[in-house]
Amino acid sequence: GESVGLHLPTLSVQEGDNSIINCAYSNSASDYFIWYKQESGKGPQFIIDIRSNMDKRQGQRVTVLLNKTVKHLSLQIAATQPGDSAVYFCADFSGSRLTFGEGTQLTVNP
Amino acid sequence: AAGVIQSPRHLIKEKRETATLKCYPIPRHDTVYWYQQGPGQDPQFLISFYEKMQSDKGSIPDRFSAQQFSDYHSELNMSSLELGDSALYFCASSPSQGARGYTFGSGTRLTVV
Repeated sequence: GESVGLHLPTLSVQEGDNSIINCAYSNSASDYFIWYKQESGKGPQFIIDIRSNMDKRQGQRVTVLLNKTVKHLSLQIAATQPGDSAVYFCADFSGSRLTFGEGTQLTVNP
Repeated sequence: AAGVIQSPRHLIKEKRETATLKCYPIPRHDTVYWYQQGPGQDPQFLISFYEKMQSDKGSIPDRFSAQQFSDYHSELNMSSLELGDSALYFCASSPSQGARGYTFGSGTRLTVV
């Protein structure tokens, strides 16, 4: 079946560094991609989204890049802070459901 | 701002018992979605409702059923519980089956013993 998956299960960075979390997707029919942050015991929290007709979208300290040629998404977090420590999921929205990829655990060291 | 409300937050049941999880969507959101997240896993789509009708169905066991009521709240009914049903169950809501505004609740942690 179609799937969305992440390359790296864990990422450890120093406070203040930039973080890059990657994701590969296989459903080329998806028209919308979303990054979520999930803290322990909490629901997924929306970070940023991007439509399939865009290559890049910037938010506050975050940037999402979409490369449709290789079916690849990335989330860049600038000046990573301890509060950014969480599991990050990419998801594609198609029809009315989200299909999540494997999460990446981001740990920010002080 | 109002969020998606789920109850209870925690639930402990024995094998073969039944459980009912409730979800109250954001006001004016007419679509509700249910997801199951096992330990260390990504959320898996179970089922969704739009305007009180089932709109999509994912990997929901036959032992589970759900519905959306006239006030748009939804309930997930789980019968003949198995140990493998232990998971976090998230509800999300959105306006008109759209991706924008898709918001998750804090989840119900179900433990089957």
